[in-house]
Amino acid sequence: QVQLVESGGGVVQPGRSLRLSCAASGFTFNSYGMHWVRQAPGKGLEWVALIWYDGSHKYHADSVRGRFSVSRDNSHNTLYLQMHGLRVEDTAVYYCARDRCDGTCYWHDYWGQGTLVTVSS
Amino acid sequence: EIVMTQSPATLSVSPGERATLSCRASQSVSGNLAWYQQKPGQAPRLLIYGASTRATGIPARFSGSGSGTDFTLTISSLQSEDSAVYYCQQYNNWPPLTFGGGTKVEIK
Repeated sequence: QVQLVESGGGVVQPGRSLRLSCAASGFTFNSYGMHWVRQAPGKGLEWVALIWYDGSHKYHADSVRGRFSVSRDNSHNTLYLQMHGLRVEDTAVYYCARDRCDGTCYWHDYWGQGTLVTVSS
Repeated sequence: EIVMTQSPATLSVSPGERATLSCRASQSVSGNLAWYQQKPGQAPRLLIYGASTRATGIPARFSGSGSGTDFTLTISSLQSEDSAVYYCQQYNNWPPLTFGGGTKVEIK
């Protein structure tokens, strides 16, 4: 069965960096686009980034562009989110989610359980 | 950026009754709309895509309708396990992909 397991969250000071990982299993990882979606405490869902199945196309929300970068390692079935210049408003649970297609469907058919990032001094 | 507005914010429905949730887009998204269910402490789960196509394993009591700017998610006979927050998401004009603010469904 499809499994997505995020890791790498934690408490970090403003301005610092963090890298999140999402380990995928149960499907052919290199055939699917992957997203990061976040949810601030008690708030709704916010799309963060998308990467195509082969890593050839990447898209980021305006709120994180220039600070966050999505990448993937298809040889290790792993998705990443490198986060620099973290701000208090980046505090959220970060979910990885599978695109229903190669990166061109744009809805999410499987989600991980999320990893909490807390940005605080 | 397309803004998605969901109403009502909270809906209280008796078991066995019908629940009707609304989602409105600030401009046409054609039929490119998905619905997700999120229970407390859990990740979202895909219910509907293409405005009206149920995802794999989703019970038939969930149905989606609409196109353009106005969409509806209907739960035909509410069950206790349907207590959750429901989000709509447009994927017609992006980036960014955008979600509505959610509707919380409570069991009366």
